[in-house]
Amino acid sequence: SAVISQKPSRDICQRGTSLTIQCQVDSQVTMMFWYRQQPGQSLTLIATANQGSEATYESGFVIDKFPISRPNLTFSTLTVSNMSPEDSSIYLCSGLKEGANVLTFGAGSRLTVL
Amino acid sequence: QKEVEQDPGPLSVPEGAIVSLNCTYSNSAFQYFMWYRQYSRKGPELLMYTYSSGNKEDGRFTAQVDKSSKYISLFIRDSQPSDSATYLCAMSAIGQGAQKLVFGQGTRLTINP
Repeated sequence: SAVISQKPSRDICQRGTSLTIQCQVDSQVTMMFWYRQQPGQSLTLIATANQGSEATYESGFVIDKFPISRPNLTFSTLTVSNMSPEDSSIYLCSGLKEGANVLTFGAGSRLTVL
Repeated sequence: QKEVEQDPGPLSVPEGAIVSLNCTYSNSAFQYFMWYRQYSRKGPELLMYTYSSGNKEDGRFTAQVDKSSKYISLFIRDSQPSDSATYLCAMSAIGQGAQKLVFGQGTRLTINP
């Protein structure tokens, strides 16, 4: 399965600022996704990162708050904009190879907003 | 009501015990059922994958799906301290596969030596 690297692994940010999380996979995947894992909550799909076009967002998530880029098959970024303490969470990048049914996850980026 | 319900625990058992982890769900369209294991400060990794109803065994792990009751289970035999992790159930409907997984909250499991 693909190896997925995320950075930063953790960060502490001030309210009102923005943070960009980077995700790199080691081999070509057809689909990349961003998830949020809040304390005591399920993993929740934020969006599907589409190569060269706008991401597809799930209900409750909007581009202005979580802009996503995917300039090529192996790289994607998620920005958490205008952060508030409610955005404190683990953000996970995941990848899916064509024809596969197994999602591979990165280690996550733990974000704390003060 | 959440689509997938999972007791968050925490669950603490002695080494060697049989562990039973469970999820219930409400969407009868779910056909793919998975269990992920997540160690502290790591991403989830796939542990077991089953399609539709029935049992699947892999070493010390057994996954069961009862679609009539909308209930899935993961059994761990001869549990080891290295099994200490958070276990997440996940499921999806036909045609969606891993693209639209719905996860449970996760159960935090500790195996005590």
